[in-house]
Amino acid sequence: AQSVSQHNHHVILSEAASLELGCNYSYGGTVNLFWYVQYPGQHLQLLLKYFSGDPLVKGIKGFEAEFIKSKFSFNLRKPSVQWSDTAEYFCAVNQGSGAGSYQLTFGKGTKLSVIP
Amino acid sequence: EAGVTQFPSHSVIEKGQTVTLRCDPISGHDNLYWYRRVMGKEIKFLLHFVKESKQDESGMPNNRFLAERTGGTYSTLKVQPAELEDSGVYFCASSQRKTGFYNEQFFGPGTRLTVL
Repeated sequence: AQSVSQHNHHVILSEAASLELGCNYSYGGTVNLFWYVQYPGQHLQLLLKYFSGDPLVKGIKGFEAEFIKSKFSFNLRKPSVQWSDTAEYFCAVNQGSGAGSYQLTFGKGTKLSVIP
Repeated sequence: EAGVTQFPSHSVIEKGQTVTLRCDPISGHDNLYWYRRVMGKEIKFLLHFVKESKQDESGMPNNRFLAERTGGTYSTLKVQPAELEDSGVYFCASSQRKTGFYNEQFFGPGTRLTVL
């Protein structure tokens, strides 16, 4: 069974600091990779996704993530965080190649607190 | 376009009682998923409907949980009888169905279930 590890439970940054949240997954086959975000009081929403092609993907609100296949990693980055980025971030994996089951496997989430 | 909606937003019940959660997917979305997040743990897949058929129910914890999607529109998840360990946030998600493609899952706000 596949699993997803997020390295940090809670990250606290000052505004304008750079952000990198780690994510590693265990599945060795073809995968689709996602970062979801949940702002306080809101739904989970998709931040960015990787299916194939350029391993550096750009998402909404200035976020980007890099897929490194050899390291089974999909780390999320943002060069300069804002107070409005305060949220919980989830890395998720889906077994690719149209295997039939579209279930997402999530990491435990990382809470990001940005101090003004 | 209305998003995924869930009802109720919160439910507090006593151990042994029955609770029914409802999910209304985005109109036209054939795929409907249920996930659960127990406090401090990751969001875990429960099951996946394609229209009214259960495509994958590998994540259902035990036979106290019954999911239905009659008519292929809204879905219900019944817990009977509820146990303390069933407490958590139950998320519903939906996606379009396009053969050969992975389609983004849109999440609802979740139902927070507390079993006392």
